[in-house]
Amino acid sequence: AQRVTQPEKLLSVFKGAPVELKCNYSYSGSPELFWYVQYSRQRLQLLLRHISRESIKGFTADLNKGETSFHLKKPFAQEEDSAMYYCALKYSGTYKYIFGTGTRLKVLA
Amino acid sequence: GAVVSQHPSWVICKSGTSVKIECRSLDFQATTMFWYRQFPKQSLMLMATSNEGSKATYEQGVEKDKFLINHASLTLSTLTVTSAHPEDSSFYICSAPRSGSSEQYFGPGTRLTVT
Repeated sequence: AQRVTQPEKLLSVFKGAPVELKCNYSYSGSPELFWYVQYSRQRLQLLLRHISRESIKGFTADLNKGETSFHLKKPFAQEEDSAMYYCALKYSGTYKYIFGTGTRLKVLA
Repeated sequence: GAVVSQHPSWVICKSGTSVKIECRSLDFQATTMFWYRQFPKQSLMLMATSNEGSKATYEQGVEKDKFLINHASLTLSTLTVTSAHPEDSSFYICSAPRSGSSEQYFGPGTRLTVT
C-alpha cells in the first residue's frame, strides 16, 4: 500500500543547530516526492521537490530509493524555519498526492 | 506564480443546513482540483478529486452525498457540505495543479464551524 510516514510530530532544535525531518515512503511505482511547508496562518507552499535537486532556504532533500526515504535537512536552523512540514508523494500519471502526517519544527532562540 | 483562492475563509452554520465552499484558480486553468480536510495539528486528508466536466472521484470513506463537489468551469470547483453536523467542523483546503507542473497550488483554506 502507498504510504508516507513522518515519524516525528514535533521537532525542537536550537537556532544554529542542524535539523533533519524524516520522511519514509512506500510506493510500488517510481516515486515523485515533495516537501511542502505551512507557516503559521499561511497556506501550504512547495518547499522543494526531489526532481529539482535544489536547495531552497538552505534546505535540501535527497531521495534514497534503497532506504525509501526523502529526509529534509538544513545545516543551521533559523527561527523563521519554524513551521509545519509535510512530505508528499505524487501518484504516477496523476496529480494526486499522499501526504505524511507532518512534522512541526520549532526553532528555539 | 499560480494563485488559488477560497471563499469564504470561514463560515459558521447551524446543524442541518448546507454550506458551499468555493475554490478558484485565479490565473490559470485547472481541469483537476483536490479537496482536503485538515484536523487541528493533523495532516491533510484527501477527500476527493474534482474533475472539470465529469463526476468527482471520492476517497474511500468519504460520503459523496454529504460532500457534493461540482467543477463548474476550468477555474472553479465547489464543495457543498450538506446537512452539516458538528463533526463536520474542520478546515477545508483545496488545491490545483497547473498544467505541465506536478506542483500543487493550495488555497488558504476555509474554516467551517457547525453549531
